[in-house]
Amino acid sequence: DTEVTQTPKHLVMGMTNKKSLKCEQHMGHRAMYWYKQKAKKPPELMFVYSYEKLSINESVPSRFSPECPNSSLLNLHLHALQPEDSALYLCASSPQGDYGYTFGSGTRLTVV
Amino acid sequence: DQQVKQNSPSLSVQEGRISILNCDYTNSMFDYFLWYKKYPAEGPTFLISISSIKDKNEDGRFTVFLNKSAKHLSLHIVPSQPGDSAVYFCAASAVDSNYQLIWGAGTKLIIKP
Repeated sequence: DTEVTQTPKHLVMGMTNKKSLKCEQHMGHRAMYWYKQKAKKPPELMFVYSYEKLSINESVPSRFSPECPNSSLLNLHLHALQPEDSALYLCASSPQGDYGYTFGSGTRLTVV
Repeated sequence: DQQVKQNSPSLSVQEGRISILNCDYTNSMFDYFLWYKKYPAEGPTFLISISSIKDKNEDGRFTVFLNKSAKHLSLHIVPSQPGDSAVYFCAASAVDSNYQLIWGAGTKLIIKP
C-alpha cells in the first residue's frame, strides 16, 4: 500500500457542527502532516506529527484540533468553523524528515 | 498509482554548478505544471510554472522545460546557490479537475560549498 487515504472526499458543514477529517497510511511513515489549501494557492502547513507526537503547530486556531491515535492514523477535528475555513485539506506523510512525501487527495470542505 | 513522479529522493550539487530536478507524469490531461520549493517546517512556496502550450519558461536562475511527448518536465537552477538547498515539489493540474494539484513526492536538493 503506497497511498495516503483521506476521508471524506467532500464535506459540507454548518458553523455549529462538529466533524472530523481522517487520514490513513500504511507505509510505515513516521511523520504526518495536515495542510490547508485555498484555490490556486500552495498548501499552508497546519500541523506536523513526528512519531505520533505533535511537533509543529503553525498557529492554527483552536477550532482545528489534530489527533494522532497511532502511527497510521491522523485526524483533524473541526468545531465552530467559519466560512473562510472552506478549503481543500491535504494530509501527507513522509518516512521521517523532510523528503519522500506522499500526499493524499484531500478533503474538500465547505462551511456554510 | 502515482500520476506525478519524482524518482530522485535527493540530489547533491556543487555550489555554482547546474541543478537539474526531474519530474514525470502519466496523465495526458494535465495542462499546467508547477514547481514548489519547501524549507523544513514550512509549507511549499511557488517557484515557477509552465503551461502545456509552452516547452520552456524562464525566471532568473530558474528554467522549467516541458517535453509533452515524453510526459517529462525538468527544473534547471543555474548557478546553484546555498539558499537553494530545499525540497522541490513538482505538481500538475488539469482544467477538468478544477485545477486540483497532484503532487510529486519531492526531491531534496543539497548544495555543497
